[in-house]
Amino acid sequence: NAGVTQTPKFRVLKTGQSMTLLCAQDMNHEYMYWYRQDPGMGLRLIHYSVGEGTTAKGEVPDGYNVSRLKKQNFLLGLESAAPSQTSVYFCASSYLGGDSPLHFGNGTRLTVT
Amino acid sequence: AQSVTQPDIHITVSEGASLELRCNYSYGATPYLFWYVQSPGQGLQLLLKYFSGDTLVQGIKGFEAEFKRSQSSFNLRKPSVHWSDAAEYFCAVGAGGKTSYDKVIFGPGTSLSVIP
Repeated sequence: NAGVTQTPKFRVLKTGQSMTLLCAQDMNHEYMYWYRQDPGMGLRLIHYSVGEGTTAKGEVPDGYNVSRLKKQNFLLGLESAAPSQTSVYFCASSYLGGDSPLHFGNGTRLTVT
Repeated sequence: AQSVTQPDIHITVSEGASLELRCNYSYGATPYLFWYVQSPGQGLQLLLKYFSGDTLVQGIKGFEAEFKRSQSSFNLRKPSVHWSDAAEYFCAVGAGGKTSYDKVIFGPGTSLSVIP
């Protein structure tokens, strides 16, 4: 039982490049989330989805786009990477949303030079 | 807007000593509250949660937390800390729209060091 899987684990980008982070969950969860973690700031919500085909903005959505074409997958895209997007990105899923526990992936460490 | 504060950025305790990590939240409705723990290089793991009922909740690894509505607090405690408890601890609140709690908002975290 894999739970929540994030790919890739590490990535280095140059300013202006684009990339997509993939999150896959095998628990049939409706809700999926993308967070970024920076020192001293905890986890900040970028975008989230309450079901297949839906997306919504979180606390820090600028510079990111997401898609939820299939229930089990939630993609996070950076169209033109900036050094300020250097961070550790976590995907999470839950069964009922904010009133149920989150299941986290192991994170993607992204460096933008 | 919903928010979570954790006043202590870093705490150091001796092994065997008691521990209390503070958490305060701001939310207009009845909150859903969580504590998560993150070991170095890992994702987050749920320690415990509060939805309703008894305000003292028990979690894994010997942790407990007490919900105090009058103080908007949800402090995490452990009577005797083990060296393996050294980690980052995050308090979180379930937040969202009028009829559901769509989002989970996290506090900035408290880093715990344990002295042998």
